[in-house]
Amino acid sequence: GENVEQHPSTLSVQEGDSAVIKCTYSDSASNYFPWYKQELGKRPQLIIDIRSNVGEKKDQRIAVTLNKTAKHFSLHITETQPEDSAVYFCAATISGNTPLVFGKGTRLSVIA
Amino acid sequence: NAGVTQTPKFQVLKTGQSMTLQCAQDMNHNSMYWYRQDPGMGLRLIYYSASEGTTDKGEVPNGYNVSRLNKREFSLRLESAAPSQTSVYFCASTPDRGVGQPQHFGDGTRLSIL
Repeated sequence: GENVEQHPSTLSVQEGDSAVIKCTYSDSASNYFPWYKQELGKRPQLIIDIRSNVGEKKDQRIAVTLNKTAKHFSLHITETQPEDSAVYFCAATISGNTPLVFGKGTRLSVIA
Repeated sequence: NAGVTQTPKFQVLKTGQSMTLQCAQDMNHNSMYWYRQDPGMGLRLIYYSASEGTTDKGEVPNGYNVSRLNKREFSLRLESAAPSQTSVYFCASTPDRGVGQPQHFGDGTRLSIL
């Protein structure tokens, strides 16, 4: 089955700097890659997603890139703010066959 | 709309006790999921139900049972709770299992087994 590896497990950045979180997946048939943000004590919430027919997607300060050949995808957060501090999860799935498989998460701390 | 509602929010059990975690969604979604979240382990799938009347095992099904009572409700049962089942449990739903289906999560149930 699918396996998703996520790095780093913790990340600290200064406010205003950029943060990058990387994930690799094992099954080349995977075609949907969402990212979730989970604040302390809260539910995971979708922040951005990308499908395999797209190489990059942006939404304000957040972007996701996908490299199907290398089987990895990354989350980029620019101009980080203290409210970006949270745990971020990547996930992958094969359409119509299996539920999402999640990475183990990255705890991002933005230092003011 | 409430989205995905989980009850209870907190529960403390003794080893060997049984308990059912309830989940209901009001979005007319076909698929529902139960995850457990442990520190450093991410979200691990316990069971899921692709549609009413069907259930399938996920990554960590041992010690759990599920029931898809109807389209809205998907319950998770611990028959004989063990300390290793101390965790935060999240229920989620998607319209169906097709591509590009973001999962909608409930607020979670924090379960402690003593």
